Amino acid sequence: AQTVTQSQPEMSVQEAETVTLSCTYDTSENNYYLFWYKQPPSRQMILVIRQEAYKQQNATENRFSVNFQKAAKSFSLKISDSQLGDTAMYFCAFIPGGGADGLTFGKGTHLIIQP
Amino acid sequence: GAVVSQHPSWVICKSGTSVKIECRSLDFQATTMFWYRQFPKQSLMLMATSNEGSKATYEQGVEKDKFLINHASLTLSTLTVTSAHPEDSSFYICSAQTGGNYNEQFFGPGTRLTVL
Repeated sequence: AQTVTQSQPEMSVQEAETVTLSCTYDTSENNYYLFWYKQPPSRQMILVIRQEAYKQQNATENRFSVNFQKAAKSFSLKISDSQLGDTAMYFCAFIPGGGADGLTFGKGTHLIIQP
Repeated sequence: GAVVSQHPSWVICKSGTSVKIECRSLDFQATTMFWYRQFPKQSLMLMATSNEGSKATYEQGVEKDKFLINHASLTLSTLTVTSAHPEDSSFYICSAQTGGNYNEQFFGPGTRLTVL
């Protein structure tokens, strides 16, 4: 079984600042995928970014990037030039590769962007 | 593309009654759908995996006789909460997987269930 740990229950930064959300995971799998999901007050889950474990290059999506350290089992999310609309719960999630499995989520980080 | 709908978006029922929640993939075929449960201010917990045409696989601790899942077609999965009680009140979210290389799941908007 795998576990996902997010150690920051809540973070608050000023608009336009850069913020990093941390995530660590534990698994015996060699092939897997990692995700960051955003859940705004509407509670709709929105995919922010994904990372395939076999890829060494860190994934980036516009203002969002990850720092994937496979040996350390660390998968942090960096949000640059933060915007008010980034305020939301952010969940780190894990899924084994190759099959149809449900996601294992961390407990989440509530990110607040202050004007 | 890859839109998933859920119906109803919210439901209030009396204790002891059954409630059915539908999850539909609108523009793609989903061989696998998943049901999650989210209590207030908590994370999503996987309840069960639903494969079209076969029995659902339930996570440990989830009562399969209480949470009936049917995946009758490639675009529809249903979750029926039988003999609901106040402790079943929660936010239920489904997701559908398209397959492919990324194992990406597309989420429905969720259903808020309140049992009085």
